[in-house]
Amino acid sequence: EAGVAQSPRYKIIEKRQSVAFWCNPISGHATLYWYQQILGQGPKLLIQFQNNGVVDDSQLPKDRFSAERLKGVDSTLKIQPAKLEDSAVYLCASSADRVSGNTIYFGEGSWLTVV
Amino acid sequence: AQTVTQSQPEMSVQEAETVTLSCTYDTSESDYYLFWYKQPPSRQMILVIRQEAYKQQNATENRFSVNFQKAAKSFSLKISDSQLGDAAMYFCAYRSQAYTGANSKLTFGKGITLSVRP
Repeated sequence: EAGVAQSPRYKIIEKRQSVAFWCNPISGHATLYWYQQILGQGPKLLIQFQNNGVVDDSQLPKDRFSAERLKGVDSTLKIQPAKLEDSAVYLCASSADRVSGNTIYFGEGSWLTVV
Repeated sequence: AQTVTQSQPEMSVQEAETVTLSCTYDTSESDYYLFWYKQPPSRQMILVIRQEAYKQQNATENRFSVNFQKAAKSFSLKISDSQLGDAAMYFCAYRSQAYTGANSKLTFGKGITLSVRP
């Protein structure tokens, strides 16, 4: 079974530029999560989708961050304009919803450095 | 809202020895799930072990076991026969019983860096 795929793995941009990250969840997983992990901290949820609908985006900085999940499969997370404090690893994760407590599987992450 | 606390930022263990990583959490729910994830330098989150709150028996996975104390809201991870490959960050995480909706997300602690001395 293929895992959660993310790209690009690494990105360096200047502040005020824009960047987009792509995620392809495990086949059949209805729920998709984007987490932000700043160095030395635990991951923080940015946005959660169930199929193509947003379930929770309470911690997404909506003035600069946006995300979409077209057709309930792939997802894109965009940052525009980027700030220095956006430097982090962006982790995409997915889970199936058929059984309570299903494991959440993570991708390898997209490392963003804003200079 | 649920919170997860990992108060030890770093720990070190000698190869082949045993180490215990601590975690406490706060919740008003009676049914939930607890997890330990390992994060090597590659940054991918790898599931180590999970515990269902309704189960009294502590979960075990090979060299990894937990001490789950529901009343004390404590969930520690014991690594036996430590190996060099165990060196990584370890995160304790909480998940509500709900498997859909906003309560299905993972809430993480700050993590602990484990180093293994040869």
